[in-house]
Amino acid sequence: NAGVTQTPKFQVLKTGQSMTLQCAQDMNHEYMSWYRQDPGMGLRLIHYSVGAGITDQGEVPNGYNVSRSTTEDFPLRLLSAAPSQTSVYFCASSYSGTGANTGELFFGEGSRLTVL
Amino acid sequence: AQKVTQAQTEISVVEKEDVTLDCVYETRDTTYYLFWYKQPPSGELVFLIRRNSFDEQNEISGRYSWNFQKSTSSFNFTITASQVVDSAVYFCAAKGTYKYIFGTGTRLKVLA
Repeated sequence: NAGVTQTPKFQVLKTGQSMTLQCAQDMNHEYMSWYRQDPGMGLRLIHYSVGAGITDQGEVPNGYNVSRSTTEDFPLRLLSAAPSQTSVYFCASSYSGTGANTGELFFGEGSRLTVL
Repeated sequence: AQKVTQAQTEISVVEKEDVTLDCVYETRDTTYYLFWYKQPPSGELVFLIRRNSFDEQNEISGRYSWNFQKSTSSFNFTITASQVVDSAVYFCAAKGTYKYIFGTGTRLKVLA
């Protein structure tokens, strides 16, 4: 199994450009999420989804959009990139977002984004 | 809202020393889950352990052990006889109803 796959792994953007980070999982996980990792800040939750058609904001949602049209895919969109969005982005999924079936998060390998 | 605090930014130890990484969590949920992850220099995030709020038993796995104390809202992680390969950033995380919230991480350097 591929697990959680993120593309691209590296991207350089200019301020104001838009782009989409792709995330796909093949484990039939209901729960998916996006994090950004910055030095000294740990992993901060951007958006999450508990199932197809359902998304919600995390700790740092501004400047990012998400959608969940299928169980497998959870793309993260930057509509107008800013230098403050330079970061490493991780997509993660888990078996269930709620209750006794809560599982650990499975992470993708990360996407390094630089905004000039 | 949940919050996870890892007050130790960086710890350096000499190989074979024991080291404890601290994690303090805050949550209003009566049912919650706690996790530890390891991020080696290669950058991937590796799951280490999950604990739920109704299971306060401590756990040992090889050189790793975890001490969960609800009374102090702590979920500390101890590495016994540390090795250079343990050098990594370690993250503690908490999950209530929906969100997995991470601490800022502790960078562990194990010196040969």
